[in-house]
Parts: sequence; C-alpha cells; structure tokens
Amino acid sequence: GQNIDQPTEMTATEGAIVQINCTYQTSGFNGLFWYQQHAGEAPTFLSYNVLDGLEEKGRFSSFLSRSKGYSYLLLKELQMKDSASYLCAVRDSNYQLIWGAGTKLIIKP
Amino acid sequence: IAGITQAPTSQILAAGRRMTLRCTQDMRHNAMYWYRQDLGLGLRLIHYSNTAGTTGKGEVPDGYSVSRANTDDFPLTLASAVPSQTSVYFCASSEDGGATDTQYFGPGTRLTVL
Repeated sequence: GQNIDQPTEMTATEGAIVQINCTYQTSGFNGLFWYQQHAGEAPTFLSYNVLDGLEEKGRFSSFLSRSKGYSYLLLKELQMKDSASYLCAVRDSNYQLIWGAGTKLIIKP
Repeated sequence: IAGITQAPTSQILAAGRRMTLRCTQDMRHNAMYWYRQDLGLGLRLIHYSNTAGTTGKGEVPDGYSVSRANTDDFPLTLASAVPSQTSVYFCASSEDGGATDTQYFGPGTRLTVL
C-alpha cells in the first residue's frame, strides 16, 4: 500500500529552527509537496521537490532524497504565525496526491 | 479576487437526506478535485476531473457523485447522507493535473450528518 509518515506534533520556540520529516512509500513518484494549514483554514502551497536536494524559499526550505524516500521541511527564524499543521504529499504514478496526516507545529514564546 | 469558493461554509444534515456541496473556481483551471479531511488522517481524494466533461474516482468515492458540466463548477453530491460522511470537505483545482501541477484549495465545507 501507499504510505506517508510524518510526526503527529512538534513544539519549537519562537526564533528557533525546526525540521519536520516526511517518509514515503508510494507506487511511483512524480514529486513531493509541502502545504501549510492553519486551524480551520484551507491548505496552502509551500514547496515542491522533484529532484534530490534542497529548495530554499525565504525562511522555508525543503529537502528531498528519492533513494531514501525521505523529505524534510526546514523552518528558520520561527514566528508565532508559523503555528499550523504542515502536510506532506507525494504525487504517485497515477498523478494523484497521496497525503500524510500532517504535523501540528506549536510555537512557544 | 481569483480563487475557489465553496458553499455552504457549514451544514448540519439529517441522515438519509440528499446534499450537494458547491465548488466554483475562476482561475480557468482544467483539473478539479474533492477531498475529505478527518482528524488523524490525511486528505483523501473522493473524485476528480481532469477537464470539463470527464470525472474519475479517487480513494473514497462510495456514497458520493460529481459532475463537471463546465470548467468552473464541480459540485459534489451525497445521495443519502450517513454519519460516517461527517467531515470537512475541500475542493481544489490545478492547471492540468500534470506532474508539476500545484493544487489550490477552497475554504472548505464542514458537514455534520446526524
């Protein structure tokens, strides 16, 4: 079966750095996405990786290793507004997105 | 403002009733999707449409139907609601459903079936 694993919850301090991991086992791979979802709101797109390596976008970076079936989202200089759930999703061989359950990130002052 | 709208925002429904959730996008995207989101689970695809006039089944299609008469609208119908369909429903759209395509989500409909 297809599976996306991410930690259920993480806590970090304002101003710090946090890394959210995602491992996947899917039928085929056509890219990995990270979305942010604030409570009660819609998911919003953060990043896309299809090749191995690091993609940097401001305070957020995303890394992919296809051979290891692994990705992480790195958030730097954490702000209180970064408190949200972070969803990892993989596009499979049928071009459908398979979603992880999300990681709830709690930022403390 | 361009985007996706969903209606209603929330609904409480008696079991056995028929309900249609509406979704409209003005980005001229070819592909549209319906997901449900339940606590502790990832988003699960119910139905999708890669272009107007075509639809396909996702991971959890039973009890739901869709139509895609035009590019902008993609309604989801529950023919006879059951309590297990209590969930938050998100509509999404993307340019063409291809490999590098990014999906954009509507604000969601919170549905409670009693």
